[in-house]
Amino acid sequence: GAGVSQSPRYKVAKRGQDVALRCDPISGHVSLFWYQQALGQGPEFLTYFQNEAQLDKSGLPSDRFFAERPEGSVSTLKIQRTQQEDSAVYLCASSFLSVTFFGGYTFGSGTRLTVV
Amino acid sequence: DQQVKQNSPSLSVQEGRISILNCDYTNSMFDYFLWYKKYPAEGPTFLISISSIKDKNEDGRFTVFLNKSAKHLSLHIVPSQPGDSAVYFCAATPTGTASKLTFGTGTRLQVTL
Repeated sequence: GAGVSQSPRYKVAKRGQDVALRCDPISGHVSLFWYQQALGQGPEFLTYFQNEAQLDKSGLPSDRFFAERPEGSVSTLKIQRTQQEDSAVYLCASSFLSVTFFGGYTFGSGTRLTVV
Repeated sequence: DQQVKQNSPSLSVQEGRISILNCDYTNSMFDYFLWYKKYPAEGPTFLISISSIKDKNEDGRFTVFLNKSAKHLSLHIVPSQPGDSAVYFCAATPTGTASKLTFGTGTRLQVTL
């Protein structure tokens, strides 16, 4: 597609529920990133994939968070046993270049997760 | 701790005037800096970047200045237009780890008629 597509746009989850957030990067983009943006804050790095390899997951806040990109294109961010502090906008971004080349990512519009 | 700080949560500027958005960083390892613009309900859009080997980078109406000794950068928009009204985020990364951007908390720019 023309841009990075994320679904769903909005998700309301009851505390304790598991959720899965999907990211469709721009076709051919090698690098894929997940960021978490809490209200009034800037995006915070969660994890990074180069093709199907998860090269950096240092930003995942707990073992309840899990991300995968099994075929090097679509990625899913899964949050188990959601807590209220997980409420945020989850942003996905992609880049056709590898990590060693700088440039701006293309971000999706995000998934707004509200845990009630 | 905030490694990238945008101390002005909001800024209002008249159309046609200059907008100056500021950003400070504390991590000496940061040597590549980016500005993103964000409209409501959309993802951030890359605007302009600068490497630490430069002190200025210009792209049309947008210029980014970097003062390494002060660990400070600024984004100048001249002339400001109503369509520039958005939240602007400063981001930084050390060389070799471009995967992990550290963002500031953003500055909301309002360009008035």
